[in-house]
Amino acid sequence: GAGVSQSPRYKVAKRGQDVALRCDPISGHVSLFWYQQALGQGPEFLTYFQNEAQLDKSGLPSDRFFAERPEGSVSTLKIQRTQQEDSAVYLCASSTGESPLHFGNGTRLTVT
Amino acid sequence: GQNIDQPTEMTATEGAIVQINCTYQTSGFNGLFWYQQHAGEAPTFLSYNVLDGLEEKGRFSSFLSRSKGYSYLLLKELQMKDSASYLCAVRLQGAGNNRKLIWGLGTSLAVNP
Repeated sequence: GAGVSQSPRYKVAKRGQDVALRCDPISGHVSLFWYQQALGQGPEFLTYFQNEAQLDKSGLPSDRFFAERPEGSVSTLKIQRTQQEDSAVYLCASSTGESPLHFGNGTRLTVT
Repeated sequence: GQNIDQPTEMTATEGAIVQINCTYQTSGFNGLFWYQQHAGEAPTFLSYNVLDGLEEKGRFSSFLSRSKGYSYLLLKELQMKDSASYLCAVRLQGAGNNRKLIWGLGTSLAVNP
């Protein structure tokens, strides 16, 4: 596709459930980022991939968060045993090298 | 620590000009980005400054002063569709591939008729 695609757009999970969020970056984009954005806040960095290598996961808030990009294209962000504080919009972005980031529309996660 | 400050909210009138300021205190600097984000949508790239001065792109212009740690986004001939959040982000020096981007909280702009 022409842009970064994320699915699902909305996800409601009961506390304790596991969720998986998908990101399909722009074809050919080497770099892929996951961000967490709370309402009225700027994006907070979670993790970064260069191709299939996860080069930085310093922003993941706990060991319940896990991300992968096994073939260097599609990426999945998994959250285990969701908690209410995990409720946020999860944004995926991709880029080529140091070009500006192209963002997807995000997945709005609500944990009840 | 790293810090970026933007006003939380601004209002302006259709057809007018508005300036959104961003000040930063960071451990390094390798460029400043402005993004626009409509509610429920993805942030979209507006401008990039790495050298001092003004970059103009249609109705939008962005200015940078590295010595003052200051940037502004200037929006001219405001339209209702410009109502959105405007995010300032600084790329830290020595961090390739956008990895170390520090984001402001965003300025919510409301354009009134």
